Amino acid sequence: EVQLVETGGALIQPGGSLRLSCAASGFTVSSYYLAWVRQPPGKGLEWVSVISNDGTTYYADSVKGRFTISRDNSENTLYLQMNTLRGDDTAVYYCARVWSYWGQGTLVTVSS
Amino acid sequence: DIVMTQTPLSLSVTPGQPASISCKSSQSLQHSDGKTLLYWFLQKPGQPPQPLIYEVSNRFSGVPDRFSGSGSGTDFTLKISRVEAEDVGVYYCMQTIQVPYTFGQGTKLEIK
Repeated sequence: EVQLVETGGALIQPGGSLRLSCAASGFTVSSYYLAWVRQPPGKGLEWVSVISNDGTTYYADSVKGRFTISRDNSENTLYLQMNTLRGDDTAVYYCARVWSYWGQGTLVTVSS
Repeated sequence: DIVMTQTPLSLSVTPGQPASISCKSSQSLQHSDGKTLLYWFLQKPGQPPQPLIYEVSNRFSGVPDRFSGSGSGTDFTLKISRVEAEDVGVYYCMQTIQVPYTFGQGTKLEIK
């Protein structure tokens, strides 16, 4: 059974850093496109980043240069390193195996 | 960026009646390989998005056949043949023909 479990969300001050993890089971992360999608409180969905099975990465302009998507094949885990966090990064962050499986999400709150 | 415009933004439907949601893109979503990269998702209250339709008209595994997708180029439609109480939530279309991937604003379906 395919499962995705996000962890790492927290309350963090503006300018801080955070790393989100998405532990995968039931499939091998290196074989699929994986993505991060976020949802600010009470708002719609926003695509953040995607990593292809060959390791190519793409980012939304709003996070380019601040966020880094990566995966650890040995841990079968997807990551999102988030630096220089801002208030408008506050959201529930979902990981997805493009696009058939989604995790439950993890909340990131950026506030002083 | 490709802008995805959904209409209506909300609709209230009597159980057993049909429902239809439109999604228009600012550019064609047809890839050079012939595929049209338009997806539909449903986000039920308090849950992550769940996939409904891929490449305009193909249902993801487990999606009831009362859901159907149609369209081409820049105009797409999601139809529910007979709405059930469990169909409440927000419906999103999304394009993946071009980075950044973009979602529609969402259409909230309520039951009368």
